[in-house]
Amino acid sequence: ILNVEQSPQSLHVQEGDSTNFTCSFPSSNFYALHWYRWETAKSPEALFVMTLNGDEKKKGRISATLNTKEGYSYLYIKGSQPEDSATYLCAFTSGTYKYIFGTGTRLKVLA
Amino acid sequence: DVKVTQSSRYLVKRTGEKVFLECVQDMDHENMFWYRQDPGLGLRLIYFSYDVKMKEKGDIPEGYSVSREKKERFSLILESASTNQTSMYLCASTVPGRGSSGNTIYFGEGSWLTVV
Repeated sequence: ILNVEQSPQSLHVQEGDSTNFTCSFPSSNFYALHWYRWETAKSPEALFVMTLNGDEKKKGRISATLNTKEGYSYLYIKGSQPEDSATYLCAFTSGTYKYIFGTGTRLKVLA
Repeated sequence: DVKVTQSSRYLVKRTGEKVFLECVQDMDHENMFWYRQDPGLGLRLIYFSYDVKMKEKGDIPEGYSVSREKKERFSLILESASTNQTSMYLCASTVPGRGSSGNTIYFGEGSWLTVV
């Protein structure tokens, strides 16, 4: 059974702090790893789609890295702001229509 | 702006009722999905459709059926709702074909269903 794990499940940080969290996924049959940001009562919104080992992607203060050989991806947020408060989801796919989602990391940024 | 719209955001239904959850996308995507979100579990795939009238069972299809009569619309049907189907249901779409799983998934805002 393919499993995707995210850690931590939740965290609280102070405004201005930098933070990071992890997505662990199967290292075999890798095709792509997706990151989504999901605010309460809104649609999950795409952050990154990563396909190559060693990939690093950046969007404003948010960046992500990918290690397909060991099966993990890190998401970093630099200088967290209250508007960064959301659940961050990752999803693994081996190239089919099936995406395996993690349970998410719930981030709360305190002003 | 791309859009996946779930028409019913919050529903309360009685056990045994037939329930329809509607999803419409305006991006001309062939692939559409229905997921279920429960506390402590990742999004779980109920059904997938890759074209009009075409469907595949996902990981948890029991108690559900789907309808795809038009490309833009994908409906999830609970033939006889039960309390264990109380959940949040999320519709999504993406472009088709091998390699499409490297493309962005577009999600609706979710439909919260309570079965009493």
